Amino acid sequence: DIQMTQSPSSLSASVGDRVTITCRANETISRYLNWYQQKPGKAPKLLIYAASTLQGGAPSRFSGSGSEMDFTLSISSLQPEDFTTYYCQQTSRIPHTFGQGTKVDIK
Amino acid sequence: QVQLQESGPGLVRPSETLSLTCTVSGGSISSYYWSWIRQPPGKGLEWIGYIYHSGSSNYNPSLKSRVTMSIDMSKNQFSLTLTSVTAADTAVYYCARNPMGAYDYWGQGILVTVSS
Repeated sequence: DIQMTQSPSSLSASVGDRVTITCRANETISRYLNWYQQKPGKAPKLLIYAASTLQGGAPSRFSGSGSEMDFTLSISSLQPEDFTTYYCQQTSRIPHTFGQGTKVDIK
Repeated sequence: QVQLQESGPGLVRPSETLSLTCTVSGGSISSYYWSWIRQPPGKGLEWIGYIYHSGSSNYNPSLKSRVTMSIDMSKNQFSLTLTSVTAADTAVYYCARNPMGAYDYWGQGILVTVSS
């Protein structure tokens, strides 16, 4: 299985801050990388696919970059509704593994 | 707007079989891949597998010996069967659609508890 490692596992930030979350694969996955946002008690919501393509309806303050093994999710200016958990997922190879998640909470 | 809804028992006894159905509305099941993903309480996401509208499927190797997925085009539904369950299979189970590798529509999830 391809292992996906997110860092940090948690972070504290303030409204308006720029935040970056990193996801690293233990082998190359080209750009087969998705980012999801999950709020408590809800299903994950697709934010970014193919490493950098913003899903329709996702706010433009979210952006993704990277290729091969190293990827980032950036939030340009944190909004109150962004304080929640984020997951990366690779779809290069079966099984489509997820990172362990990054929880963003209020400082 | 595509919507997915999981259904099935919320409690399954150890060693028995878990069976869930996902009903798709607002779109046809005759395209795309259709998947199951689970999340143990307080933990991360685990990919279980997917089935294509043709009936071909792919499962997580860690679960492959216990998992079967099927699709019913006439009902616009697809299903998950997981045999010989243990407490480790207690989780919220999600169904999802994945065109081109991105999981874009998800059901709300159903909590399945394995307990006697």
